[in-house]
Amino acid sequence: EPEVTQTPSHQVTQMGQEVILRCVPISNHLYFYWYRQILGQKVEFLVSFYNNEISEKSEIFDDQFSVERPDGSNFTLKIRSTKLEDSAMYFCASSEWDRLMNTEAFFGQGTRLTVV
Amino acid sequence: DAKTTQPPSMDCAEGRAANLPCNHSTISGNEYVYWYRQIHSQGPQYIIHGLKNNETNEMASLIITEDRKSSTLILPHATLRDTAVYYCIVIHNFGNEKLTFGTGTRLTIIP
Repeated sequence: EPEVTQTPSHQVTQMGQEVILRCVPISNHLYFYWYRQILGQKVEFLVSFYNNEISEKSEIFDDQFSVERPDGSNFTLKIRSTKLEDSAMYFCASSEWDRLMNTEAFFGQGTRLTVV
Repeated sequence: DAKTTQPPSMDCAEGRAANLPCNHSTISGNEYVYWYRQIHSQGPQYIIHGLKNNETNEMASLIITEDRKSSTLILPHATLRDTAVYYCIVIHNFGNEKLTFGTGTRLTIIP
């Protein structure tokens, strides 16, 4: 069964450093997303991406965050200068919109980001 | 998007049917009901969705009331691996629509 893969599974970084979280969405999907979940809290939407541009972003997704699809298979989330409060599990997801209007999102297993 | 209300937690005996309710009284005519679950901080997993008819797949059944103001997810023969947080989400089902996760129902399957 096709799946969304994320690397690394765990990243530890120093405050102020840049991090790039990587995702390989399902190959025929057109819509891509990043969500995050701070420990013990809800899963929160960060950004959606379609046709090589951001479709929607939340207020969490400020100027420190950026997304890119550099090569047609990877989808990355960059945090320019990490803060302690960026520590969370980050989930990538992808979906397609077929003629039956089935748009279920497939999520990766997440990258646990720890900022120290 | 319509708001949903779910009980915070439920228990179910292994092998029995687990029935998880969801209220979505403000749902509009073109909004779908989606169910996802999250097993112990793994990525959320799609279960099932529906508009107004009852739906069944290999994982679960979804029963939507005639007025569409509530629904029930049914796991017919719960196993220990079904222990998870279950989220009921209402969306318009456009191609790139975000999912808004609430706190869900923490379902514990008891041996």
